[in-house]
Amino acid sequence: IAGITQAPTSQILAAGRRMTLRCTQDMRHNAMYWYRQDLGLGLRLIHYSNTAGTTGKGEVPDGYSVSRANTDDFPLTLASAVPSQTSVYFCASSDKSASGGNEQFFGPGTRLTVL
Amino acid sequence: GESVGLHLPTLSVQEGDNSIINCAYSNSASDYFIWYKQESGKGPQFIIDIRSNMDKRQGQRVTVLLNKTVKHLSLQIAATQPGDSAVYFCAETASSEGTALIFGKGTTLSVSS
Repeated sequence: IAGITQAPTSQILAAGRRMTLRCTQDMRHNAMYWYRQDLGLGLRLIHYSNTAGTTGKGEVPDGYSVSRANTDDFPLTLASAVPSQTSVYFCASSDKSASGGNEQFFGPGTRLTVL
Repeated sequence: GESVGLHLPTLSVQEGDNSIINCAYSNSASDYFIWYKQESGKGPQFIIDIRSNMDKRQGQRVTVLLNKTVKHLSLQIAATQPGDSAVYFCAETASSEGTALIFGKGTTLSVSS
């Protein structure tokens, strides 16, 4: 593993189903983030974690949950997917906290389609 | 809320020309800015950053200029190449306010040969 990996690469999901997007980083970064990217809206922060064991809400947290059991992993769960959650999801990490003003490194993204 | 925006959604240039991509921000407390490049089907990739105690920072073929008076940020790409074609995002954060990075909506740069 080098950098940040995300799985799956893409997924088609029926509405109402539960889905977990996986994110793993091997850089030992303290902070991790989940964004969604929609055409014309740019990148919007869903949830973040400044360090293992802590999480926080971003701009668009509704319908999503996260956990940070260890430094490397930051899964994003959609408890009951809805079509408006169709998007491309990016995981990112940075060496310091969300407010520390540091470069974020991004994963390759997960393209999710909810029907 | 605070916003970060780009003046133009698209920019078309000829190979070899210099490109200038602009970004306006509204939070006067913002003190850290980043430019990202995103190629089709990939995640954003760091290009260059600048802190508010600087007006200019140069990298390889890229320069970022920061004008805090008018809250304006620009990315200059010298001798633009077809491989520079991508969407470019600026992002800001106000570390004193404890905010995370806020991204602009992006400018699509198209480079023709």
